[in-house]
Amino acid sequence: DAKTTQPPSMDCAEGRAANLPCNHSTISGNEYVYWYRQIHSQGPQYIIHGLKNNETNEMASLIITEDRKSSTLILPHATLRDTAVYYCIVKETSGSRLTFGEGTQLTVNP
Amino acid sequence: NAGVTQTPKFQVLKTGQSMTLQCAQDMNHEYMSWYRQDPGMGLRLIHYSVGAGITDQGEVPNGYNVSRSTTEDFPLRLLSAAPSQTSVYFCASSYGWQVAGNTIYFGEGSWLTVV
Repeated sequence: DAKTTQPPSMDCAEGRAANLPCNHSTISGNEYVYWYRQIHSQGPQYIIHGLKNNETNEMASLIITEDRKSSTLILPHATLRDTAVYYCIVKETSGSRLTFGEGTQLTVNP
Repeated sequence: NAGVTQTPKFQVLKTGQSMTLQCAQDMNHEYMSWYRQDPGMGLRLIHYSVGAGITDQGEVPNGYNVSRSTTEDFPLRLLSAAPSQTSVYFCASSYGWQVAGNTIYFGEGSWLTVV
């Protein structure tokens, strides 16, 4: 599975959009981009995933660059409850193994 | 649905003791796995199973044993606990491990301290 690079920490004001970047320059054609988050002391929570196209669900939007070497997770209106570690993961379609890096600690400030 | 259920949530063991962390899912998922998370670090895969009767090693399997006799249950056994196994353990499951873009669901974690 491709390695990902994320900033270790980010801050965001409550009510503003949080844009979390991820670099995955060695991603291959059959690898999906997944985003999970982990709120303190809880199990990781699935947010969104995509292959090529931009994706949106009730939690977030995922923007994948045309060359697929990077992506951005967007939380459109961040709340204090969005404070968490956000993990960007790329993995193949076959096999459900996730390889977690160190993620980005997002802190939403009032 | 209960989702992925782990027990116990907290456990203290003495060095050399053995114990089993239980994991059950009610979503008829084929794939189940165990991760450990040490302070300030990401999750690391211990063992996984792609279906009943099939298990395989992950990134850090030493000191742990698993079995998968039913689709629903995937217990993790610590054979002889060591302080290095002090960690938070997460069980996870997903449907159709070969399905493109499948989502993995995690339990709430089991905090284990070995003294």
